[in-house]
Amino acid sequence: GAGVSQTPSNKVTEKGKYVELRCDPISGHTALYWYRQSLGQGPEFLIYFQGTGAADDSGLPNDRFFAVRPEGSVSTLKIQRTERGDSAVYLCASSFGTGELFFGEGSRLTVL
Amino acid sequence: LAKTTQPISMDSYEGQEVNITCSHNNIATNDYITWYQQFPSQGPRFIIQGYKTKVTNEVASLFIPADRKSSTLSLPRVSLSDTAVYYCLVPYNQGGKLIFGQGTELSVKP
Repeated sequence: GAGVSQTPSNKVTEKGKYVELRCDPISGHTALYWYRQSLGQGPEFLIYFQGTGAADDSGLPNDRFFAVRPEGSVSTLKIQRTERGDSAVYLCASSFGTGELFFGEGSRLTVL
Repeated sequence: LAKTTQPISMDSYEGQEVNITCSHNNIATNDYITWYQQFPSQGPRFIIQGYKTKVTNEVASLFIPADRKSSTLSLPRVSLSDTAVYYCLVPYNQGGKLIFGQGTELSVKP
C-alpha cells in the first residue's frame, strides 16, 4: 500500500497476556518510530529504528516492552504480561529521516 | 535537549485566521521545525515544515523568527473541519528522537 499499515487496528486482551502489534512502513523509509497515545495526551515516544537497529529505545516504559525490525522494514512491538495501564493507541510512523513522519492509523489496545 | 511549549487550547470562528505559536528555546542549529494535525481516532498528519523565515504551502504558513526560539503556524480562513489538535515538533536530540508535546486543541465554531 501507499501508506503506513498497522495491524491489528483493535486488540482486546486480558491482563497478563502477550501481545504483538505490527507496523508495515512506507517502502524505502529507513526510519521507523513507535509512539503510544492515551486519551487527551500527545503521542509518547517509545522507540526509534534507523534501519534494522534501535537507535533510541529510551521511551520503552519497562522490560515488558520490546520491539524488533529484523529486515529494516516491518516492525513488531511486543508487550509481555500486559497490564491495564498498557491500554492505549499504539502509533507507528516512518520517515526518510527528514523530520516528516508518516503515521499509520494506530492499533488500539485494550487490556481488561 | 529541545522541548516544545504550546497553548493547550484555542477557540476560533469559521473564516478567521488562526495563529498558533510554539516555543522551542533549545532547538539545535541545523534542526527543522515540523507541524502536525491530528483528528480523533487518526494518526497525526504532516502540515508544514520550515527552518527559518517563512514557508507557505496550500494549507498553512509557518513563520520562524531569526532566533528560531519559536515558530507560528498560521491557518488562513479556518473552517469547521480544521477542528483538531496541532503539534509542533523539533528533534529532541541529535540522535533522531522526536518527542511530541501536549499539542494545541483548536476548536472552530460556526
